[in-house]
Amino acid sequence: DIVMTQSPDSLAVSLGERATINCKSSQSVLYSSNNKNYLAWYQQKPGQPPKLLIYWASTRESGVPDRFSGSGSGTDFTLTISGLQTEDVAVYYCQQYYNTPSTFGQGTKLEIK
Amino acid sequence: EVQLVESGGGLVQPGGSLRLSCVASGFTFSSYWMHWVRQAPGKGLVWVSRSDTVGSSTNYADSVKGRFTISRDNAKNTLYLQMNSLRAEDTAVYYCVRGFYWYYFDYWGQGTLVTVSS
Repeated sequence: DIVMTQSPDSLAVSLGERATINCKSSQSVLYSSNNKNYLAWYQQKPGQPPKLLIYWASTRESGVPDRFSGSGSGTDFTLTISGLQTEDVAVYYCQQYYNTPSTFGQGTKLEIK
Repeated sequence: EVQLVESGGGLVQPGGSLRLSCVASGFTFSSYWMHWVRQAPGKGLVWVSRSDTVGSSTNYADSVKGRFTISRDNAKNTLYLQMNSLRAEDTAVYYCVRGFYWYYFDYWGQGTLVTVSS
């Protein structure tokens, strides 16, 4: 199975500042035939199910604010939240869907400093 | 509006069985792959199983293979998860999830809690 490792485990950022969450896969999730990275990001607020933010590593889901962006390729990926807002407090997960089973990172808890 | 509503969770003894159901609405259920993803209390997300659009291709996590069975009834817009030989480590919230094929997960239900304990 592909192991997804996120860093840091938790993060405290001031309102209006930038939050950066990293995700590393144990093998490349870049499919060479279509040059797509099989990587998604989810946000889970307390007491709620996860919500899809980003897929194909950098494509924002419809309705997701543009302060959320995804980048990276191969084995190293980043979720950036520019201009942190109070409603962004959540746990964030990366997921690879390159191989079965699909696997998730352990999660990164984002709080307000 | 896409809605996924799970039911069937509860308290069960080790070795027991449960069947989870997920009723879908707001989209053409028969056109989408569907998945179950679980989350143990205070823990992360773990993919459990998936079904193609007609239920002819299914896959399972190694941890549930041979014990869990995913199925669907497209006429009833319903996804199922039959869980047998339940173990304490199966205790989790089980989410019904719509997939973009076997790739990413674009809609999640609210989840149903399964507790395996004597």
